[in-house]
Amino acid sequence: EDQVTQSPEALRLQEGESSSLNCSYTVSGLRGLFWYRQDPGKGPEFLFTLYSAGEEKEKERLKATLTKKESFLHITAPKPEDSATYLCAVKTGNQFYFGTGTSLTVIP
Amino acid sequence: DSGVTQTPKHLITATGQRVTLRCSPRSGDLSVYWYQQSLDQGLQFLIHYYNGEERAKGNILERFSAQQFPDLHSELNLSSLELGDSALYFCASSHTQGADEAFFGQGTRLTVV
Repeated sequence: EDQVTQSPEALRLQEGESSSLNCSYTVSGLRGLFWYRQDPGKGPEFLFTLYSAGEEKEKERLKATLTKKESFLHITAPKPEDSATYLCAVKTGNQFYFGTGTSLTVIP
Repeated sequence: DSGVTQTPKHLITATGQRVTLRCSPRSGDLSVYWYQQSLDQGLQFLIHYYNGEERAKGNILERFSAQQFPDLHSELNLSSLELGDSALYFCASSHTQGADEAFFGQGTRLTVV
């Protein structure tokens, strides 16, 4: 069965304290892995797409990497405005499968 | 702004009623996906349409149905509503049915009382 698991469920960081979020997946026929950011009550906002193992994408304080079994979202020197839920999704066939997300809180 | 428009933003209705949620995809996008997000659950895939045709179905209840019209907007119909149907309903669109990313609307918050 296709599955996407994110860890940790929740993460509290001090401003400036770097860390990583994990997304592990077991799917057949991976077509792409996607990271989204979701603020409370809002729609998920697209961040990155990764297609093959070894690929990396970067945007401001965020960097996403992909291996054959998992992806990491590295957050460098986070700021309070980075507080949100970060969602990982994989596409197989005609469906996106989402993980349940990591809720990140950055404390000033 | 993702370019995906969902209406209405909020909807309050009684149990047993029927409602229609509307989604206008980004200009040029042919794929529309519908998701349900409850408080204690992640994004649950409901259904995918591509250029007017149903392409994939998730855990969509028989009381729910959807369609995509020739102008590519989509509607999600929810009938015989129950308290447990209260949730955020999101629509997302992508250009193709391939491996490109999907962009989400701001959602419709449905409250069933």
